[in-house]
Amino acid sequence: DAKTTQPNSMESNEEEPVHLPCNHSTISGTDYIHWYRQLPSQGPEYVIHGLTSNVNNRMASLAIAEDRKSSTLILHRATLRDAAVYYCILKEYGNKLVFGAGTILRVKS
Amino acid sequence: GAVVSQHPSWVICKSGTSVKIECRSLDFQATTMFWYRQFPKQSLMLMATSNEGSKATYEQGVEKDKFLINHASLTLSTLTVTSAHPEDSSFYICSARGQGGAVETQYFGPGTRLLVL
Repeated sequence: DAKTTQPNSMESNEEEPVHLPCNHSTISGTDYIHWYRQLPSQGPEYVIHGLTSNVNNRMASLAIAEDRKSSTLILHRATLRDAAVYYCILKEYGNKLVFGAGTILRVKS
Repeated sequence: GAVVSQHPSWVICKSGTSVKIECRSLDFQATTMFWYRQFPKQSLMLMATSNEGSKATYEQGVEKDKFLINHASLTLSTLTVTSAHPEDSSFYICSARGQGGAVETQYFGPGTRLLVL
């Protein structure tokens, strides 16, 4: 599975949208883009995943670049409960999830 | 989403003793379970992958005789830390994945914090 690059940390204001970037320039055609987040002292939580098209669910949106070399996780209105470490992970179907360093998201009230 | 539980949520033990951690998928059958370890301010590190009824596959550098994994049923996997030492103190997280289907989501347990004195 190819590697991803994320900023170490980001800060957001409460009630504002947050765009979390992820670069994956060596992504292969069979790599899915997965996003998980981990709140303090908890196990990771699935957020969203996609292959080529943009995806929306109740938690977030995933915007995937046309060349698939980057993607952006969008939280439409950040709340204090969204403060967490966000992991962008590339994974082929059937393979295991391997976590990188992730992005620490801080939300200010 | 699906629910994965872990027991205990935290454990303190003396050096040299063994500790068993249980991981259960509560509302789905998990053909594959994963065990991760996380040290403070670090990311999750995959320790091993287990398929129901088969021997676990360990990641490089993880001692299979020290971290015994059993995946005897489609809803239960156990991790036993044998002869635990202070350096084994960590946050242990299990994850479960269901069988088949187009969506391949891994669900994580809440974690077990182990402190070895």
